Amino acid sequence: DADVTQTPRNRITKTGKRIMLECSQTKGHDRMYWYRQDPGLGLRLIYYSFDVKDINKGEISDGYSVSRQAQAKFSLSLESAIPNQTALYFCATSELAGDTDTQYFGPGTRLTVL
Amino acid sequence: GQNIDQPTEMTATEGAIVQINCTYQTSGFNGLFWYQQHAGEAPTFLSYNVLDGLEEKGRFSSFLSRSKGYSYLLLKELQMKDSASYLCAVLDSNYQLIWGAGTKLIIKP
Repeated sequence: DADVTQTPRNRITKTGKRIMLECSQTKGHDRMYWYRQDPGLGLRLIYYSFDVKDINKGEISDGYSVSRQAQAKFSLSLESAIPNQTALYFCATSELAGDTDTQYFGPGTRLTVL
Repeated sequence: GQNIDQPTEMTATEGAIVQINCTYQTSGFNGLFWYQQHAGEAPTFLSYNVLDGLEEKGRFSSFLSRSKGYSYLLLKELQMKDSASYLCAVLDSNYQLIWGAGTKLIIKP
């Protein structure tokens, strides 16, 4: 079974709709992240959480919100979807071990906003 | 600002060797990562360097020079399945990962 799972894997929605992307992990990591990836651009951090009570904005948090329901679950919401939020979204987890903090990614959610 | 540069695309021949370069300017440095990403799939971890020098892992090796803000990923005995994007990322002083845009590697028979 996959250590980091994301649902749904694909989603098509309309402008103005609220949608939620979910991420679950069985790695036991405290740290979780949401990224988006657009063609020709690097991964851009939306939000991150270092433990259940810790939520931090990333580089591009406008238009998004998150919820860390448990150590293993981290959800991303688009309050009112717009076409330029069409992208591939990845969840990742990590655990600081010594000086390294390797991130492990879920399979991604391909979101299309019409 | 923080910046990571890597070539957009490279082409190589099956069985050959290819070197993908990465240069970085970041606020602090706590290590450099290389990830492989096949089209439409998740990035997967390849290597981590925090000290200068070469780290070898099978057909893949990664080199770091902190004084030059430079790293490279060396892929030997290229196989068709190595066709993918290779992402360079630096862990900055706040332990934030700064990502390059990735290098798309095309392998030709």
